Amino acid sequence: NAGVTQTPKFQVLKTGQSMTLQCAQDMNHNSMYWYRQDPGMGLRLIYYSASEGTTDKGEVPNGYNVSRLNKREFSLRLESAAPSQTSVYFCASYRAGESTDTQYFGPGTRLTVL
Amino acid sequence: AQSVAQPEDQVNVAEGNPLTVKCTYSVSGNPYLFWYVQYPNRGLQFLLKYITGDNLVKGSYGFEAEFNKSQTSFHLKKPSALVSDSALYFCAVRDPGTYKYIFGTGTRLKVLA
Repeated sequence: NAGVTQTPKFQVLKTGQSMTLQCAQDMNHNSMYWYRQDPGMGLRLIYYSASEGTTDKGEVPNGYNVSRLNKREFSLRLESAAPSQTSVYFCASYRAGESTDTQYFGPGTRLTVL
Repeated sequence: AQSVAQPEDQVNVAEGNPLTVKCTYSVSGNPYLFWYVQYPNRGLQFLLKYITGDNLVKGSYGFEAEFNKSQTSFHLKKPSALVSDSALYFCAVRDPGTYKYIFGTGTRLKVLA
C-alpha cells in the first residue's frame, strides 16, 4: 500500500517546454487534487476531481490542464511552462464519506522553470 | 468565500513550554476545520479535525485544537513542545457541500532546545 505517489520528484524545464506530472493513489479514493506550494502563499488548489470523469478548477488553474485517467490516476499538464510555474506541486486524494475526512498527500514534485 | 488566516509566519518556543499556533476562519455555514503538518521535503500529514461536537479536539502527536465559534478561531496547541515538533503547520477549511479544501499560508514552528 504505497498511498499517493508522484513522478517525477524533481524536474527542470526551459520556458515554453511542456510536461506532465503524474499522480496515482492505491486507496480507492474518489477525489483527487493538485496543489502548488510557494513560499508565503501556502497551498493553493490548481484543479480537483471530485470523482472519476469530473474535473473542476481551483484557485489558480491558468496555465494548467488535468486528466482524470481513471479512479487511480490524476495527471497535471503544463503545456507551455513559464518561470511563474516554478513551485512544489502536491497531489492529494480523499474518499467521500470516510470517517476521518482527511486528505492524503504525495511527496511532491519540485519543478523549476528557467 | 471561505478563507483561513494564519497571522504568524513563525512561532518560536522553548522545548518543554506550551505552544499555540493561531488560525482564524471565515466560512458560511458550519465549518469543517483541519490542521496539517509538513516536515522538510515531505507532503502534508493530517493532525486533527473539527466537524462537530466538543470544542476541544485531540489529534496526533499530543496536539489539540480549540474551536471557538464566537471568535471564529481554531488554534493549535500542545502542552509541552518537543524539538521534533519543529515543522510547517497549515490550517485548512473544507468548503461545505464540496470536497474543496482551502489552506492557510502556513506557520513555521521552531522549538528550541
